Amino acid sequence: DTAVSQTPKYLVTQMGNDKSIKCEQNLGHDTMYWYKQDSKKFLKIMFSYNNKELIINETVPNRFSPKSPDKAHLNLHINSLELGDSAVYFCASSPGAQETQYFGPGTRLLVL
Amino acid sequence: GQQLNQSPQSMFIQEGEDVSMNCTSSSIFNTWLWYKQEPGEGPVLLIALYKAGELTSNGRLTAQFGITRKDSFLNISASIPSDVGIYFCAGQTWSGYALNFGKGTSLLVTP
Repeated sequence: DTAVSQTPKYLVTQMGNDKSIKCEQNLGHDTMYWYKQDSKKFLKIMFSYNNKELIINETVPNRFSPKSPDKAHLNLHINSLELGDSAVYFCASSPGAQETQYFGPGTRLLVL
Repeated sequence: GQQLNQSPQSMFIQEGEDVSMNCTSSSIFNTWLWYKQEPGEGPVLLIALYKAGELTSNGRLTAQFGITRKDSFLNISASIPSDVGIYFCAGQTWSGYALNFGKGTSLLVTP
């Protein structure tokens, strides 16, 4: 009965590869997010989707492409991975704007 | 997004002590939130504050939304070892979609 789930939990890959991270929420929420947490633990918004529509794209390189096939899913595809992409990526969801955001367990990405 | 100033950066205390941490911003927020993150997990909401001046408790935790809307504090009373983790403040503006996080306060509690 996990609320916000992400797969995989760990992802180790070579520079230049393309990879995807999946996120699903079973809370019936309309809004979903991707956050990046760097090595110093700072959390920064990357994208926000509301009802499958992109609301926020916070100066993220266009190698990162979110896809929302339906309200319950928000996947993150990353092309041509770079060393600096190594981080923990968190998916979150909320009923709507201005409402509590619930975070997934994170995906730990290591680019070698 | 806005970056919030959170202090202290880390705290190392003994079990039973009270803890206080705070967050300030140069911008006004209409919602302040406090999250806790444990190793290997995502942030979990502790307290949400929606009105300037609001003081809210959740067990041993108490948080306040500053009158100016530019600051908030979190107090933990009688700390226990399971309080260990990183505590983040987050502010949300009227547009409401993104959370702007502080850099976190890392709390260590010794028995």
